[in-house]
Formats: sequence, structure tokens, C-alpha cells
Amino acid sequence: GAGVSQTPSNKVTEKGKYVELRCDPISGHTALYWYRQSLGQGPEFLIYFQGTGAADDSGLPNDRFFAVRPEGSVSTLKIQRTERGDSAVYLCASSLGTAYSYEQYFGPGTRLTVT
Amino acid sequence: EDKVVQSPLSLVVHEGDTVTLNCSYEVTNFRSLLWYKQEKKAPTFLFMLTSSGIEKKSGRLSSILDKKELFSILNITATQTGDSAIYLCAVPPSGAGSYQLTFGKGTKLSVIP
Repeated sequence: GAGVSQTPSNKVTEKGKYVELRCDPISGHTALYWYRQSLGQGPEFLIYFQGTGAADDSGLPNDRFFAVRPEGSVSTLKIQRTERGDSAVYLCASSLGTAYSYEQYFGPGTRLTVT
Repeated sequence: EDKVVQSPLSLVVHEGDTVTLNCSYEVTNFRSLLWYKQEKKAPTFLFMLTSSGIEKKSGRLSSILDKKELFSILNITATQTGDSAIYLCAVPPSGAGSYQLTFGKGTKLSVIP
């Protein structure tokens, strides 16, 4: 079946602009996770959803970052007033539920470049 | 706080060589250890290890866990250029109500013809 999809695959934006990154999880997966991967680093957790609610947003770096999942499927990561330090690959993953958090399937990521 | 350390950070080998990648971890309540291969952007799942001393094998790749010494190794025999990738080690959350994976920085493997 279809895997996790993310759009856009690449996004270049100017400092100070607003961006939205979209994640479409595997059908039937109720848990959804966002990670950020900077060059030379492993993915770092940002936020996770169980259903529609953000169950843990402790990894969001500051209040410029926000994510929603209004219908419990597609999620959007929103970044306001982008800064050059936000440049990274943003990865989305999903799992059947939190009981299966060890078995997360990753999407191809969105490479965000802030100029 | 859970911690994962991988070594080496990068490695260059010739086709046909055998490589060993290392992953050490510190977690409060160990559940499992995961290995991923990352080509381009999406990490793809390789192995999940839960028990010490039991080798998991898939083709030329194999992995084993040592829960006493808190480490795992990933072996790749007869390397091919298609094995070039970043290999990530991760541990699932050990705290109650915590569900994110903690990753190491990865080992960047380059296999040259």
C-alpha cells in the first residue's frame, strides 16, 4: 500500500516568511510524528499526534512552530517568521498507534532552505 | 534522558570490504534498538533488536545486541556501492507517555568501486 507522503519535497523561502509542510500518513495509522534533521545529525523529535490531538509537543523549538491534524489523518507543520537556522529536512512518520511507536514508517521528507 | 552514540561518524570502504558500525545507548527502560538506512531523505527500517546475543540477518546485513554492555553492531559483508547511505541507530522511548524515537547522529558509509 501507499507509504507516508510529504509535500513539497523541497521548499526554498526567504527569511521571515511563513511556510507550511504537509504530511499524509499511512492509511489507518493513528499516530503521527514530526522530526527535524539538520546536516550531520540524526532526526530530532518535534511533535507527535495521537488522533487529532497533539499528545506531546515538547520538541518544538519555539512558538514559531505549530502543527495541526484536524481530522486525524493529514498533518501540517507550520513555521512562522522563518529563520536561516530552520533550514533542515523535516521528516514525518506514522505508526498504527502509540503502542507501536517502535515501528514508525518515515516519509521522504521536505528539505526546507531559508535564504 | 535517553542517549544514542554511533561510531564512526563516517567511513569510506572499497566494494567487497566488510564493515562494522557501532551503536551504544543509555536508556532508562530498554525496550528495543532499531537500525535504519537513510538514502537521500527517508529512513527505511532494517532491524529491530530486543534480545541479547540473537543475530538478526537480512542478506549481507546482520546485527546483534549486547544488553549487558549496552551496544549493538551492524555488519555489512561484501559491500556494494548501493550500500552507500547513512545508517541510523535509534531507541524507542522508555519514559511513560513518551513516544518519540531517539536517534544517534548516524554513520555515513561511502562504498567506492
